[in-house]
Amino acid sequence: QKEVEQNSGPLSVPEGAIASLNCTYSDRGSQSFFWYRQYSGKSPELIMFIYSNGDKEDGRFTAQLNKASQYVSLLIRDSQPSDSATYLCAVNKEYGNKLVFGAGTILRVKS
Amino acid sequence: EPEVTQTPSHQVTQMGQEVILRCVPISNHLYFYWYRQILGQKVEFLVSFYNNEISEKSEIFDDQFSVERPDGSNFTLKIRSTKLEDSAMYFCASSEQVETQYFGPGTRLLVL
Repeated sequence: QKEVEQNSGPLSVPEGAIASLNCTYSDRGSQSFFWYRQYSGKSPELIMFIYSNGDKEDGRFTAQLNKASQYVSLLIRDSQPSDSATYLCAVNKEYGNKLVFGAGTILRVKS
Repeated sequence: EPEVTQTPSHQVTQMGQEVILRCVPISNHLYFYWYRQILGQKVEFLVSFYNNEISEKSEIFDDQFSVERPDGSNFTLKIRSTKLEDSAMYFCASSEQVETQYFGPGTRLLVL
């Protein structure tokens, strides 16, 4: 079982729609959860992090965490073509400070 | 806004040669990391560094790799004898606390 799993996509949404990106993780001891955006050939850019169960909103982005289901999601409202990128889910494990990344979901926002 | 910087942006080397990748973390950050991403694959952790010593390393980080903080600002990754499979994008990251890591732009390493 992969430590962090994401659907590779591509996920295609029309401009203005809500994009929903999902991630599951295997280590129940994981404490911190991150969403990074990565444009082709560029480095990961931190979008949001979440530690507690529930929702966390920041502008057009909402992260959702359900530790019982070991599930993290990212909602992007009013999607823009500039949101087209690969979205990486990363998990910080309990006894280390390394980030474990999923393979990423490709998002395409069509105008 | 402060950011992590890395040099060089691209490095081409011959197999068996030594390379040093350089990073300047964000100035008030205390935790430093190296990750790599082979083309088309996921980002993989290599090593973390705190208080002038390695705090964690992955299986990838074998004896061919070393890290150093030679002064108050630079953080380097050395690969002693490069292999073809070391070709990847290498990212430096830093964080003020253990979480919330910010990544530099990366160094693309090509081993021929």
